[in-house]
Amino acid sequence: AQSVTQLDSQVPVFEEAPVELRCNYSSSVSVYLFWYVQYPNQGLQLLLKYLSGSTLVKGINGFEAEFNKSQTSFHLRKPSVHISDTAEYFCAVSRKSSGSARQLTFGSGTQLTVLP
Amino acid sequence: NAGVTQTPKFQVLKTGQSMTLQCAQDMNHEYMSWYRQDPGMGLRLIHYSVGAGITDQGEVPNGYNVSRSTTEDFPLRLLSAAPSQTSVYFCASSYLDRGGYTFGSGTRLTVV
Repeated sequence: AQSVTQLDSQVPVFEEAPVELRCNYSSSVSVYLFWYVQYPNQGLQLLLKYLSGSTLVKGINGFEAEFNKSQTSFHLRKPSVHISDTAEYFCAVSRKSSGSARQLTFGSGTQLTVLP
Repeated sequence: NAGVTQTPKFQVLKTGQSMTLQCAQDMNHEYMSWYRQDPGMGLRLIHYSVGAGITDQGEVPNGYNVSRSTTEDFPLRLLSAAPSQTSVYFCASSYLDRGGYTFGSGTRLTVV
């Protein structure tokens, strides 16, 4: 089984400042890694994913994440945030195979609040 | 493309009542799943399906039933609603061999 730990439940940051949302995972097998964003009263939207290849992954809205296998981490970063980035962010993993292993395990979420 | 459509968006049930949450996708995804979202707990998998006629339990299946008679539809049935089932429910789908789910907009269920 795999597990995901999001180290910060709430992250307040001022507009135009950089931000890092931390995610660590635990798994006995190789995994795919994902970040999702949830705006208030909406479903989850995929921000970016790591499947293989380059460990630096770029996503939508200027976000990027870096896969670090030795530290089992997949931290999400943005160099300059906007008010519109205020949302809850979820890190998730799935086992690196198809079929029933496609199920995602989610972290508990990080609420990013961008202050003016 | 509608993506993943969930109905209803809101529902209030009395303890002991039953109901079905509907989920439909038009992307020909093989994989479909139901999650519940509770504050501070992220999303937890209830049931999932890798194709028509195939379903399996997730992390928190008790009190819920599913079936998958077509590729498009994956309804979630609450057999006898309990206050502990008050939550926001999300349906999600994906291809089996590619990463990334598409989520519905959710059903907010309150059991009184």
